[in-house]
Amino acid sequence: DSGVTQTPKHLITATGQRVTLRCSPRSGDLSVYWYQQSLDQGLQFLIHYYNGEERAKGNILERFSAQQFPDLHSELNLSSLELGDSALYFCASSTTSGGDTQYFGPGTRLTVL
Amino acid sequence: GEDVEQSLFLSVREGDSSVINCTYTDSSSTYLYWYKQEPGAGLQLLTYIFSNMDMKQDQRLTVLLNKKDKHLSLRIADTQTGDSAIYFCAVDSWGKLQFGAGTQVVVTP
Repeated sequence: DSGVTQTPKHLITATGQRVTLRCSPRSGDLSVYWYQQSLDQGLQFLIHYYNGEERAKGNILERFSAQQFPDLHSELNLSSLELGDSALYFCASSTTSGGDTQYFGPGTRLTVL
Repeated sequence: GEDVEQSLFLSVREGDSSVINCTYTDSSSTYLYWYKQEPGAGLQLLTYIFSNMDMKQDQRLTVLLNKKDKHLSLRIADTQTGDSAIYFCAVDSWGKLQFGAGTQVVVTP
């Protein structure tokens, strides 16, 4: 158990809908990262937050957004969902603002029908 | 470029050593990692090496880093059936991780 929690574990929804994925980092970690794992793209970095502020953006679609709250938990919002958004979404956390070890949560499996 | 490449498949007999190889392009990476993913599970951090090290040993795991050739390897000694999984090489790139496609390791009795 990495200490990073993610909810829900599974999510099934329809095209065009909006969902919110939630992540709680390890105690004491200030950074939260989001990654997407799909069969065709592999593991892709989406976005990084440190202590409430966005630090880096990767291959994140404009339909996706994220935020980190004062209690350091983070939410990833996915809207206007398409079939191709079906994937495993991981959250990771680390202690500092970047360049240190990232610990991953168990992931949220999103299925868009 | 920030590519990370791994071979896709490795078959090994139980009790033998496994060696998984990885090459990368980003020479500024400070940390390099190996993660393990079992079916239906998340990413488990196995080990990591700092870029100023050549080797790191952690029980059955040995990581070798050749910075000149940008080559990273993971050796698993006395491979067991529980080691069957997908192994990902990842390099730190300005705070974000760049992952390889993963090497599926199948351990046969």
